[in-house]
Amino acid sequence: AQKVTQAQTEISVVEKEDVTLDCVYETRDTTYYLFWYKQPPSGELVFLIRRNSFDEQNEISGRYSWNFQKSTSSFNFTITASQVVDSAVYFCALSGPNTNAGKSTFGDGTTLTVKP
Amino acid sequence: SAVISQKPSRDICQRGTSLTIQCQVDSQVTMMFWYRQQPGQSLTLIATANQGSEATYESGFVIDKFPISRPNLTFSTLTVSNMSPEDSSIYLCSVGQGGNYGYTFGSGTRLTVV
Repeated sequence: AQKVTQAQTEISVVEKEDVTLDCVYETRDTTYYLFWYKQPPSGELVFLIRRNSFDEQNEISGRYSWNFQKSTSSFNFTITASQVVDSAVYFCALSGPNTNAGKSTFGDGTTLTVKP
Repeated sequence: SAVISQKPSRDICQRGTSLTIQCQVDSQVTMMFWYRQQPGQSLTLIATANQGSEATYESGFVIDKFPISRPNLTFSTLTVSNMSPEDSSIYLCSVGQGGNYGYTFGSGTRLTVV
């Protein structure tokens, strides 16, 4: 069975602080995919990144970076120099090898509040 | 990546009535997924809809309560039947894609049952 744990329920930071959102996963698949999504107050789910299990290279996209460590089954997300617009619920998710046909398992989400 | 149009975006319904949610995708996809997100909760998969066959429901969800149609490769509907206040949630449809797009989600339907 697949499981995603986001231990941080809520995080509050002041603008310009760096913040890291933790994600730990469990799966028996040897090939799998990890995702991060952002859900702003409007409710839509915005795809941020997908990482496959064979690619442990860290990724940076602007102020966002992701640290995938297979040895610890973690896929953490860091926002550098946070902004008020980053306030949202962030979900980490896990899927099996075939994203055309397989479902995702979501963590419970971390609510990030960035104060001005 | 695929673009999904989901309707309605929100609705307020009376208990005992039914609401049908529609998702239209701008490309053909094999499977579509329907999720429920209860207030303050994560996403829970309701069912997987494959064109030409009955949907596959997850534990805790039944066809009589959440009938799904999948008439072609670009469209699906989810009906929430005989609604009660406990059905108040955001309902989202999703499609899986290859490459680096992951899963694409519709904008969601925010349902309130009174």
